[in-house]
Amino acid sequence: NAGVTQTPKFRILKIGQSMTLQCTQDMNHNYMYWYRQDPGMGLKLIYYSVGAGITDKGEVPNGYNVSRSTTEDFPLRLELAAPSQTSVYFCASSKTIEAFFGQGTRLTVV
Amino acid sequence: GQQVMQIPQYQHVQEGEDFTTYCNSSTTLSNIQWYKQRPGGHPVFLIQLVKSGEVKKQKRLTFQFGEAKKNSSLHITATQTTDVGTYFCISIGGGADGLTFGKGTHLIIQP
Repeated sequence: NAGVTQTPKFRILKIGQSMTLQCTQDMNHNYMYWYRQDPGMGLKLIYYSVGAGITDKGEVPNGYNVSRSTTEDFPLRLELAAPSQTSVYFCASSKTIEAFFGQGTRLTVV
Repeated sequence: GQQVMQIPQYQHVQEGEDFTTYCNSSTTLSNIQWYKQRPGGHPVFLIQLVKSGEVKKQKRLTFQFGEAKKNSSLHITATQTTDVGTYFCISIGGGADGLTFGKGTHLIIQP
């Protein structure tokens, strides 16, 4: 059982480049979330989704976009990378109680 | 999610000492969840409490939910090096909602 899978694990971007962080879950969870975590800090919610076709902004959505065309996939798009987006990104999914997290993507923007 | 404040932000203990972290809210919480994140890892669900005055134990970890459902605590007895990490509490609101995490409590253990 794979759980929540994030790709890539590491990425270095140049300022102004764009990329998509992939997130897939195989648990048929309705709820999915994207977080960023800066060193020594907590997790900040970027976007979340309560089901296919439905997304909503979290605490820090600026500079990011998401889509949820299927239950399984919840990609996060960075259009114009900025150094402030250097962080570790976590995707998570849940059904009712427990949230399951992916291993994270460590992104550096230079 | 409903807003909770967690203290302390950092806690240094000697290995073998006890450790407690607290979550407080100004409003009544419908539930409280606890997660642990090891250094370099991802958050892992520990437990959910929903009942007033609820106490649950997992080996050396004791979780409590206050009688008024406005606070919660996680107590670790006789800490071990494997307990190192950040402990987060969150509260889930009803219906469509995002899981909002605070800064957590960083537990640092000195051997």
